[in-house]
Amino acid sequence: EVQLVESGGGLVQPGGSLRLSCAASGFTFSSYWMSWVRQAPGKGLEWVANIKQDGSEKYYVDSVKGRFTISRDNAKNSLYLQMNSLRAEDTAVYYCARFSGLEAHFDYWGQGTLVTVSS
Amino acid sequence: DIQMTQSPSTLSASVGDRVTITCRASQSISSWLAWYQQKPGKAPKLLIYKASSLESGVPSRFSGSGSGTEFTLTISSLQPDDFATYYCQQYNSYSVFTFGPGTKVDIK
Repeated sequence: EVQLVESGGGLVQPGGSLRLSCAASGFTFSSYWMSWVRQAPGKGLEWVANIKQDGSEKYYVDSVKGRFTISRDNAKNSLYLQMNSLRAEDTAVYYCARFSGLEAHFDYWGQGTLVTVSS
Repeated sequence: DIQMTQSPSTLSASVGDRVTITCRASQSISSWLAWYQQKPGKAPKLLIYKASSLESGVPSRFSGSGSGTEFTLTISSLQPDDFATYYCQQYNSYSVFTFGPGTKVDIK
């Protein structure tokens, strides 16, 4: 059974940093692109970042470029999101999701971790 | 960037109704469109991919159609478990993905 379990969310002040983690199991982690998708309270879904199987390609939504870094450790079956210079508008539930690849969709999702940016 | 719209934003329906949700892209995305269902406090669940392919385990009352810029999600006979918010998602390269704003299906 595919499982994605996020951790690392919490309350952080504007300008602060936070690192999210996603532990993957039930599939060959190193064979899949992985993604982060977020959802602000009461709002819709927003794709944040993608990373290729070997970490050699990374893509970001414009609003987080230069502030967020996606990474992975295939030996630990783990995905990460380093978030720096956090803003109030980054407040959201952050989901780890498996990207299907050629068929271009997110087929498995974690339960999400809440990040709140507030003073 | 490709923009996605959905209509309606809210839909009130009864159990047994046929429900159709429309998603439009600002430019052609071929068939690179997926549909998700989300219930309050839960993660999204994939329903349809490549515009019309039903994800394994999803009931056959869900179907998708369309290509280019206009797509539809149809629920042939609405069930109590189907009251939720539905999102479309487009893909035009590995570099950008966009979700529609969502359609909430609630009880009439």
